[in-house]
Amino acid sequence: DAGVTQSPTHLIKTRGQQVTLRCSPKSGHDTVSWYQQALGQGPQFIFQYYEEEERQRGNFPDRFSGHQFPNYSSELNVNALLLGDSALYLCASSLSTRILGNTEAFFGQGTRLTVV
Amino acid sequence: DAKTTQPTSMDCAEGRAANLPCNHSTISGNEYVYWYRQIHSQGPQYIIHGLKNNETNEMASLIITEDRKSSTLILPHATLRDTAVYYCIVRHNNAGNMLTFGGGTRLMVKP
Repeated sequence: DAGVTQSPTHLIKTRGQQVTLRCSPKSGHDTVSWYQQALGQGPQFIFQYYEEEERQRGNFPDRFSGHQFPNYSSELNVNALLLGDSALYLCASSLSTRILGNTEAFFGQGTRLTVV
Repeated sequence: DAKTTQPTSMDCAEGRAANLPCNHSTISGNEYVYWYRQIHSQGPQYIIHGLKNNETNEMASLIITEDRKSSTLILPHATLRDTAVYYCIVRHNNAGNMLTFGGGTRLMVKP
């Protein structure tokens, strides 16, 4: 059973460019969240997708957007990249149940984005 | 979500028990205590969670005080591979995947 997979593993972009990161959730999981982790800090929640809609959002500008597909995989898009967007971007998946609430989250290995 | 307070760093001898404390004095009755760890250059890994009873699984034990204002994660026989940053997180179980990570405790297991 494959866990959460993210692609690419590393990426270098130039200021002002746009980037798309991809995530495939753990088999059977239907909820995907994205986190940004700057060097030396804990991960910061960006947003969560469930049933192909954004359900929760952290304190991130509109330059950060996402999408969830019918197969539950997800993309994170960042427009107009800034140097400060350089970070490890983590995807987490879980199983959402209307009765029990969300189960624990499983994280991927992340995509290391460097903006130059 | 309630704020948590953890020591910045701790050392532990290989083979000994590692006891990682966490204070969450503002926790509310429907909030759970979760522990994750992050080994260098990897994504966070779920360890254990609990509401008010002590919990144990194959990785660790979680001891929650009766007033729920603090908890301790116990790794019974620490190995070098347990060297990581350990995050204590308090959240409502219906909060989705919105985990609020603090600074965590950097545990160094030494030979």
